[in-house]
Amino acid sequence: DGGITQSPKYLFRKEGQNVTLSCEQNLNHDAMYWYRQDPGQGLRLIYYSQIVNDFQKGDIAEGYSVSREKKESFPLTVTSAQKNPTAFYLCASSTRGTALANTGELFFGEGSRLTVL
Amino acid sequence: GNSVTQMEGPVTLSEEAFLTINCTYTATGYPSLFWYVQYPGEGLQLLLKATKADDKGSNKGFEATYRKETTSFHLEKGSVQVSDSAVYFCALIHGSARQLTFGSGTQLTVLP
Repeated sequence: DGGITQSPKYLFRKEGQNVTLSCEQNLNHDAMYWYRQDPGQGLRLIYYSQIVNDFQKGDIAEGYSVSREKKESFPLTVTSAQKNPTAFYLCASSTRGTALANTGELFFGEGSRLTVL
Repeated sequence: GNSVTQMEGPVTLSEEAFLTINCTYTATGYPSLFWYVQYPGEGLQLLLKATKADDKGSNKGFEATYRKETTSFHLEKGSVQVSDSAVYFCALIHGSARQLTFGSGTQLTVLP
């Protein structure tokens, strides 16, 4: 079945370590997104990519990095520079950013919960 | 900039009660508006949408009407079920933006 797969589902990190969250989609979508979800704060955009080899910072990009070497994959690295990384991370995709205003449909993965020990 | 404000939760209702979750927005012009739902342990799913003023989006018994005059998009359901327990997010996209702006989410719990 088509969809978005995030891994791992749960991840523990020691302070000072970088960790990478995986996001893979087989929907043939051009655009991919990373959101961070904290209790009471909703979803905040970290990075997004409209096309392979191109990505833009969202509202809270500091301490994070991404790559988009393949259409299907958009991994997120949480670096040691991120001071408060404990959160739930959601990856999403859409057909094209330019079409999003009409369809409104982001397809989400099931999320990865990162805890800093 | 664009923003979305939702009523604070959590909201707890008995089965078959009437549900309203308020959502207001700030944006210039005419954004498209959406409601997403997040069931426990899952990612978000699009519930309904409205792309122009006075449009009514509906799905699974839920409805929301795009009110330009009050900049609102309140979510309603006439009779909630236990299975509706979830977090509900209001969102918008406007103009040339390439991503959605989400509200803070409202936790709904329906008791049998």
